[in-house]
Amino acid sequence: AQSVTQLGSHVSVSEGALVLLRCNYSSSVPPYLFWYVQYPNQGLQLLLKYTTGATLVKGINGFEAEFKKSETSFHLTKPSAHMSDAAEYFCAVKGRGSTLGRLYFGRGTQLTVWP
Amino acid sequence: ETGVTQSPTHLIKTRGQQVTLRCSSQSGHNTVSWYQQALGQGPQFIFQYYREEENGRGNFPPRFSGLQFPNYSSELNVNALELDDSALYLCASSSWDKPEGTQYFGPGTRLLVL
Repeated sequence: AQSVTQLGSHVSVSEGALVLLRCNYSSSVPPYLFWYVQYPNQGLQLLLKYTTGATLVKGINGFEAEFKKSETSFHLTKPSAHMSDAAEYFCAVKGRGSTLGRLYFGRGTQLTVWP
Repeated sequence: ETGVTQSPTHLIKTRGQQVTLRCSSQSGHNTVSWYQQALGQGPQFIFQYYREEENGRGNFPPRFSGLQFPNYSSELNVNALELDDSALYLCASSSWDKPEGTQYFGPGTRLLVL
């Protein structure tokens, strides 16, 4: 079984500051890991994903995440926050090798960016 | 490349009614997954359709049912609506033969049950 825990339902940063959104996963098989962003009244947009290979994954809008198997973590970072980054962010896991394409999502982290 | 579309965008129903939500998958994708996102929560998996058959189901009662059509579009039907069914319903399309592949989400249908 798979599950995701996102620590911190709300994160606030100043514009230009480092963004760090935390995600820990549980998976009985090697995972595929995803970060999605959701703007108000919209669906989910993929930021980045880890499937195999390099553990540091770069995504859109300057975001990146590092897969750390020993810590079962996949934290999302961005060196310098922008006002347009304000949104809700969801971490998700899918079991590798599973024929079922089910994504397990965390509860989300609302990012606020102050000017 | 056409993205995932959903209709309607908003819907208001009363308890006990039935509702049908529609989803058109992204071109080249043959699998549709449906998720329910309650206010303040992450999306919860309802079920997935591939080759016009349900292939996996989350913890949702049988009054949640679906269909997939030959063109890979899909419907989600909910019978005997309850207040707790109020949520954003998201569909996502993907390729069955790429388990590592991305699920691309539509904009969602926001359902309010009164």
